[in-house]
Amino acid sequence: EAGVTQSPTHLIKTRGQQVTLRCSPISGHTSVYWYQQALGLGLQFLLWYDEGEERNRGNFPPRFSGRQFPNYSSELNVNALELEDSALYLCASSSGQGAAQYNQPQHFGDGTRLSIL
Amino acid sequence: QQPVQSPQAVILREGEDAVINCSSSKALYSVHWYRQKHGEAPVFLMILLKGGEQKGHEKISASFNEKKQQSSLYLTASQLSYSGTYFCGTEILNSWGKLQFGAGTQVVVTP
Repeated sequence: EAGVTQSPTHLIKTRGQQVTLRCSPISGHTSVYWYQQALGLGLQFLLWYDEGEERNRGNFPPRFSGRQFPNYSSELNVNALELEDSALYLCASSSGQGAAQYNQPQHFGDGTRLSIL
Repeated sequence: QQPVQSPQAVILREGEDAVINCSSSKALYSVHWYRQKHGEAPVFLMILLKGGEQKGHEKISASFNEKKQQSSLYLTASQLSYSGTYFCGTEILNSWGKLQFGAGTQVVVTP
């Protein structure tokens, strides 16, 4: 079974630019989660998508946005990049629909390392 | 709202035991535990739910004290492969799917 795949693996941008990160969940998983992990720190929850809808959002400014496609893959968009956006962006997926979608193990991809110069 | 993990770091010799704690100031619905090795993705270990249900690996043990909003992960007879950073993620009531992770506990197991 293929795991969660993220692309690209590394990205270098400059302040003010925009970036799009991509995530393909495990086959059969309908939920996708996005996290930001700054160097040496814990994971900060960004977004949760399920069945194409945004279900919950972390304490990040609106320039962080995303979407989920009908095939359950997802994009994370970050506009007007700032230096502090430099981090590892992790995507995770989980299975389940309806009530069963809650409290399922999240399976993480290897992440996209974003560096802002 | 982030849970507090303790200790920040622990060094063990193979075969020794350790306990990692995770505390929240909010009423919790579930606690999730993950381990992340350097340069790798976090790996799921266990979920503990309000009401006592648990999901996870047989070799990992953990507890969830609902009254104190605390969870503990027990590393028993540690092996070299247990080295890594352990994160707890907490899900508070009425905020489904939003895991707030602690800062992590770095575990080093030496021969």
